[in-house]
Amino acid sequence: GAVVSQHPSRVICKSGTSVKIECRSLDFQATTMFWYRQFPKQSLMLMATSNEGSKATYEQGVEKDKFLINHASLTLSTLTVTSAHPEDSSFYICSARGPGVQPQHFGDGTRLSIL
Amino acid sequence: QQQVKQSPQSLIVQKGGISIINCAYENTAFDYFPWYQQFPGKGPALLIAIRPDVSEKKEGRFTISFNKSAKQFSLHIMDSQPGDSATYFCAASKGFQKLVFGTGTRLLVSP
Repeated sequence: GAVVSQHPSRVICKSGTSVKIECRSLDFQATTMFWYRQFPKQSLMLMATSNEGSKATYEQGVEKDKFLINHASLTLSTLTVTSAHPEDSSFYICSARGPGVQPQHFGDGTRLSIL
Repeated sequence: QQQVKQSPQSLIVQKGGISIINCAYENTAFDYFPWYQQFPGKGPALLIAIRPDVSEKKEGRFTISFNKSAKQFSLHIMDSQPGDSATYFCAASKGFQKLVFGTGTRLLVSP
């Protein structure tokens, strides 16, 4: 149980385009979803936390107009990187947890490469 | 005060040996301490977790030791296998809110 699916697994696109990444909880209702960014050989950096039906809470230093997060249902959250540039290239990982006392379960990440 | 310090940065252990990874935290409000295993190109997978009301938790070959007074916790992997070669992250949180991750330990188990 507790499966989190992330799509796409890899995306390559040109500078200036917008990219949408989906995160789905397949077998539980995710009341809270988290979005992380991970650079090579580094730890996970939390970008934002979203609760279903509410605006996301962004960590300090993360541009909310650059990284748009939507959590419209209990099974789906999306991260849109707007007007992506090469410095946005990274590994983006989502996690989800259910209501109450529940741990986070992670997706398999999306490798974003901006040319 | 939000940091979680993890050591060593990398570790090489022979097959069958014991792998030990240590973490230390500062925020005494933290009350949930999970360990995650991450393979290249994959997301982290929850391995084992502990709450501060116990000093040790064992699941198979994986054991967490927790020292509340020292604000330290460690992961022990008994009978380490080549398939255990991965990056391990400790983390801490208050309740099940946002996690603060350690810097990671790259474990290599030699055959």
